[in-house]
Amino acid sequence: DIQMTQSPSSLSASVGDRVTITCRASQSVNIYLNWYQQKPGKAPKFLIYAASNLQDGVPSRFSGSGSGTDFALTISSLQPEDFATYYCQQSIGTPYTFGQGTKLEIK
Amino acid sequence: QVQLQESGPGLVKPSETLSLTCTVSGDSISSYYWSWIRQPPGKGLEYIGYMYYSGSTNYNPSLKSRATIELDTSKNQFSLRLSSVTAADTAVYYCARARSSGCFRFEYWGQGILVTVSS
Repeated sequence: DIQMTQSPSSLSASVGDRVTITCRASQSVNIYLNWYQQKPGKAPKFLIYAASNLQDGVPSRFSGSGSGTDFALTISSLQPEDFATYYCQQSIGTPYTFGQGTKLEIK
Repeated sequence: QVQLQESGPGLVKPSETLSLTCTVSGDSISSYYWSWIRQPPGKGLEYIGYMYYSGSTNYNPSLKSRATIELDTSKNQFSLRLSSVTAADTAVYYCARARSSGCFRFEYWGQGILVTVSS
């Protein structure tokens, strides 16, 4: 199985900050990398597919980048509703695997 | 807007079979990939498997052939059965609709259902 490792595991930031979460794959996943946002007690919400493509309705302050083994999710100016846990997921092959999550907390 | 809703028992005894149903509204299941993902309490997400509308399936080998996903097009539902459950199968179970074009991704999720395995 392809292992997905996110860093940091947790992050404290303030409203208006620019933050970046990274995701590393144990082998190349090309651009087959997706990002999800999960708030406590809720289902994950799909944000970005194929490394850099925003799902319809996702605010443009979210962006994704990377290819191969190294990827990043950037939020350009944090809003109160962005504090959540973020997961990356590879889809180059089954079993599809997720990172362990990055919890973004209010400073 | 597509909506998914899980239903089923919240408590299952060890060694028994967990059975969940996902009801889809706002879309037909005669298209796309219909998937299950789970999340143990306080932990990350684990892919269980999918069934494509054509009938093909894919399962996570970590489940050691215990999982079965089926579609019921007459009811616009799909289901998950997980046999021989243990406490390690305690989790929130999510159903999801996935799309494959360009990059396989889980686009729409149900709210999740907590299933506890305990005697």
